[in-house]
Amino acid sequence: AQSVTQLGSHVSVSEGALVLLRCNYSSSVPPYLFWYVQYPNQGLQLLLKYTSAATLVKGINGFEAEFKKSETSFHLTKPSAHMSDAAEYFCAVSEQGAQKLVFGQGTRLTINP
Amino acid sequence: GAGVSQSPSNKVTEKGKDVELRCDPISGHTALYWYRQSLGQGLEFLIYFQGNSAPDKSGLPSDRFSAERTGGSVSTLTIQRTQQEDSAVYLCASSLAPAASSYEQYFGPGTRLTVT
Repeated sequence: AQSVTQLGSHVSVSEGALVLLRCNYSSSVPPYLFWYVQYPNQGLQLLLKYTSAATLVKGINGFEAEFKKSETSFHLTKPSAHMSDAAEYFCAVSEQGAQKLVFGQGTRLTINP
Repeated sequence: GAGVSQSPSNKVTEKGKDVELRCDPISGHTALYWYRQSLGQGLEFLIYFQGNSAPDKSGLPSDRFSAERTGGSVSTLTIQRTQQEDSAVYLCASSLAPAASSYEQYFGPGTRLTVT
C-alpha cells in the first residue's frame, strides 16, 4: 500500500530564508509524486509533479523538488521565502495506472517578517 | 476558463439528516474525484468516476455515503443519516482522461459540512 509521510506539521521560516518541506513515500511500484498548496478557504493547487522524467522538478512560484529513489524522498524547496508562501502544503503519491491520490498529513508553512 | 465549482460552500445540518453536495467539473474533463479533508484523518480519497466505467468506490467510509455522476458531468455526493464524524470539507477534483495517473487533478474550493 502506498503512504506518504510529511515530517513536521508546522514549519516556520523568516522572509528571504530557505524553505524546505520534507516528504517521504512508500510505494511498491514507481510512483508519481505531487506537491499541492492550499491557501485558507480554498481548494488545492498543483505546485509541481514528478512523473518519471527529470528527477529535479521545477514548479510554480519558484518551488522545486527532487525525486531521490534511494531515499524514497520528494522534498520541496524554495531558495527565498516570501510572505505570500504562507499556506498548507501537501505531498501526494499515486501509482502509475492508479487514479487516486494518497496524501500526506500536510505541513503548515508560516513566514515571519 | 471556469474551474471546478462546488455547492454549497457551507452546509450545516442536524445529525440524522441527509445531505447532498454538488460538483461541476471542468468542461471536457472525463475523470472526477471526491476527497474528504478532516482534522483527524487528513485528506482521504472517497470515490472516482471515469467516463462510463463503473466508479471506484473503495474510499467510501460507510454505506451511508453514495455518489453519482449524471451525463458524465455533474456529480452529487449524498450522505444519509449524517453523523458528527461526517463533519469535514468535501473536495471535488477533475482531470482529463487519465490513461496514466500523471494527469493533474484540478480541485474545487470544497464544501464545508458541519453536523450538529
